[in-house]
Amino acid sequence: LAKTTQPISMDSYEGQEVNITCSHNNIATNDYITWYQQFPSQGPRFIIQGYKTKVTNEVASLFIPADRKSSTLSLPRVSLSDTAVYYCLVETGANNLFFGTGTRLTVIP
Amino acid sequence: KAGVTQTPRYLIKTRGQQVTLSCSPISGHRSVSWYQQTPGQGLQFLFEYFSETQRNKGNFPGRFSGRQFSNSRSEMNVSTLELGDSALYLCASSLSFRGSRGSYEQYFGPGTRLTVT
Repeated sequence: LAKTTQPISMDSYEGQEVNITCSHNNIATNDYITWYQQFPSQGPRFIIQGYKTKVTNEVASLFIPADRKSSTLSLPRVSLSDTAVYYCLVETGANNLFFGTGTRLTVIP
Repeated sequence: KAGVTQTPRYLIKTRGQQVTLSCSPISGHRSVSWYQQTPGQGLQFLFEYFSETQRNKGNFPGRFSGRQFSNSRSEMNVSTLELGDSALYLCASSLSFRGSRGSYEQYFGPGTRLTVT
């Protein structure tokens, strides 16, 4: 089982880069990792997805080291509106989805 | 384009009853997945439907069932409700289903908050 763990909470000042790490095990080279953002009273919102070393889109980057025992979501220059809970999702098969416990990010002015 | 809608948004049921939740996907999306979110267990995958067929299934008891209609709208049913079924039930839609190709992006609805007393 690919149990996933994340830090419970993180604080960051506005304008800083934030890196949130998700630790997992037993994932194959083509297993996908996805990150979601969730605000109170809303469903999760897709941020980024990948299975290779590095993926970048307009809002974030995803880094996966060679041992694939963790992945890191990088948010450049966070703003107050980035205050939310962030979840990683590891998919080891179509039926095997493992969500992380979630990291509550608080951005401080 | 309208997002994923779920009805009702809030629901209170008594232990032993059954409940049906509804999800309307984004127009053009043919896959609907259901998830349960609780403070204790976090986010857990229930099942996924595509073109009226259940394609993928998580590890939940048979009391949890679903179906999808020809217009891609989906319903989830929970029978013989237990106190532990109190949760936020989320549905998400996507163009394809998990496993059909390398990656896919899901769009979540706001959820239905079910309280079992």
